[in-house]
Amino acid sequence: EAQVTQNPRYLITVTGKKLTVTCSQNMNHEYMSWYRQDPGLGLRQIYYSMNVEVTDKGDVPEGYKVSRKEKRNFPLILESPSPNQTSLYFCASSSATSGGAGYNEQFFGPGTRLTVL
Amino acid sequence: ILNVEQSPQSLHVQEGDSTNFTCSFPSSNFYALHWYRWETAKSPEALFVMTLNGDEKKKGRISATLNTKEGYSYLYIKGSQPEDSATYLCAFENTDKLIFGTGTRLQVFP
Repeated sequence: EAQVTQNPRYLITVTGKKLTVTCSQNMNHEYMSWYRQDPGLGLRQIYYSMNVEVTDKGDVPEGYKVSRKEKRNFPLILESPSPNQTSLYFCASSSATSGGAGYNEQFFGPGTRLTVL
Repeated sequence: ILNVEQSPQSLHVQEGDSTNFTCSFPSSNFYALHWYRWETAKSPEALFVMTLNGDEKKKGRISATLNTKEGYSYLYIKGSQPEDSATYLCAFENTDKLIFGTGTRLQVFP
């Protein structure tokens, strides 16, 4: 089954304790992206990746890191989480490789609800 | 700052009613307009990706139109059913990014 998986689905942690949220897709998609969802603000892009070893900042990258060592995986790293990073996080992937040609639809993972105390 | 506006924020309709919502986006540097359906406790699922001015797309009872010159798209649901209850998100594609609106939350009452 074609899917995007995220782990963990729920996480409660404390300020400053490094954490990683994993994202994996089995559709051989080049493009992967991380979003956060906050009430009243819509989905906001954190980082995206056009392909292996190619990553770029989205609209709200501060406090986050990503890596893309393999095509299927795109982990989101919070080196020193703070309470303002409490949010619902979505990973997504797409077969599009560049803008201008029209993205194909994004496939979203199930979401990770993170609480930072 | 690029803004994608959706209206209304929320909508309550009776089963069988037809309804529509609006997505407004910048008319410059347009690449594509996406519509997603997001049910509570699930993840967003793509409905349409539209790229050409005047595009119309249809999936069952749901259809969408696109006007890139004036920067808006309409999503229509004909004969709403309770299972249509969800948040409908639009996203404006600009270069390498998708910029999402905050969504229209639709509730359909039996």
